[in-house]
Parts: sequence; structure tokens; C-alpha cells
Amino acid sequence: NAGVTQTPKFRILKIGQSMTLQCTQDMNHNYMYWYRQDPGMGLKLIYYSVGAGITDKGEVPNGYNVSRSTTEDFPLRLELAAPSQTSVYFCASSPQPSPGNTIYFGEGSWLTVV
Amino acid sequence: GQSLEQPSEVTAVEGAIVQINCTYQTSGFYGLSWYQQHDGGAPTFLSYNALDGLEETGRFSSFLSRSDSYGYLLLQELQMKDSASYFCAPWDSNYQLIWGAGTKLIIKP
Repeated sequence: NAGVTQTPKFRILKIGQSMTLQCTQDMNHNYMYWYRQDPGMGLKLIYYSVGAGITDKGEVPNGYNVSRSTTEDFPLRLELAAPSQTSVYFCASSPQPSPGNTIYFGEGSWLTVV
Repeated sequence: GQSLEQPSEVTAVEGAIVQINCTYQTSGFYGLSWYQQHDGGAPTFLSYNALDGLEETGRFSSFLSRSDSYGYLLLQELQMKDSASYFCAPWDSNYQLIWGAGTKLIIKP
């Protein structure tokens, strides 16, 4: 079972460059999320989506953009990368955000901006 | 506002029992989830409490007291592989999980 797949796993960006983190899930989940996790910290929600064509901002959306054209894919776009965006990024999905439902995470993408 | 408190680090001995406490304050509350995260890995779901009381899953148990805005995760018969960070995560009124910094559990032989 593939679950939630993120690419790339590691990436080094120069300040001002742009890139897209890819995320796809094969569980037919409606809800998808992008989190970032700084060292020694918890997860912070960047964007989430409740279904194809619908996205909404989370706690820390500045500097990021998302799209959700299909149920399976939820790419995260970083425009004009800054050192403050150095972090680990996790894509996640769940059937619906009912409390208690498991949120399934991808393996993470380690991004360094230099 | 919303707040979440867990100890930053707990140390225990292999084979022992450890309890990780969590107090929370959220805008609305639907229940408390617990996740485990090994270094370099992704968070994985451990348990969920919607109602007061104890939920047991193998060596792990989770407790909730809604009136005290308090919960804990109990790990029994500790194994070295239990060394990880543990996050309590309450569900708020927007059906979003609230994440704190977690508790790093260090297990010594």
C-alpha cells in the first residue's frame, strides 16, 4: 500500500528560487493537509483541502500556494524561497476530519534554503 | 486562545512504565489524539479519546478528563523502540488538530 507519497525527500534551494513539493495519496481521501515541522517543534498547518477544487489557509500560509485539481494530488508551491522556509514538510490525508479519524502522513520532505 | 502543555522530555528505563501528561485549552473540544514520531520519521496515530476514561491498546493506554482539560499517555513494558516523540493533539471546534511541541521520550537500558 502506497498511502501518502511525497517527493522529493530532500532538496536544497537557493534564496529566491521556487519549487513544488508533490504529494499524492491513493486512499481516495477527501481531506489533505500540508504541515511544516521545525526542529524540536510540533506541526504547523500550512494549507488544507476538503476536496478537489477547494483549498483553505492554515496557520502559516505565507510564502506558499497550493492547488487541488484531483482527489489524489495536492502539490505545495514555494515561491521566492527564504531561509525561514527551511523545515521538514509533511503531506497528510484523512477520509474526513471527524475527530478521531486517523490522519495519514507521508514520509516528509526535508527542505533547506541557503 | 489555544494552548497545549506537555513535558519537553521524559526519561525512563527499559521495561518500566512511563506516563506523559497533557493539558490543553482549545476553542471547542471534540477529543484528544496521540501520535508517535520517531526521529526522521512521520507522525503515526496511536490513540484517540472522545470520552472521559481510559482507552487501552496493547502496551499503550490513553486517558482523558474533559472537566480537567487533561489527558495522559501511559506506556508499559517500555522497549527501546518506544524512544520517540509523543504528541497529544486535541481536536478543536474547526475539526482541526492542534499540535504542540511534543514530549521526547528517552529510554535507557
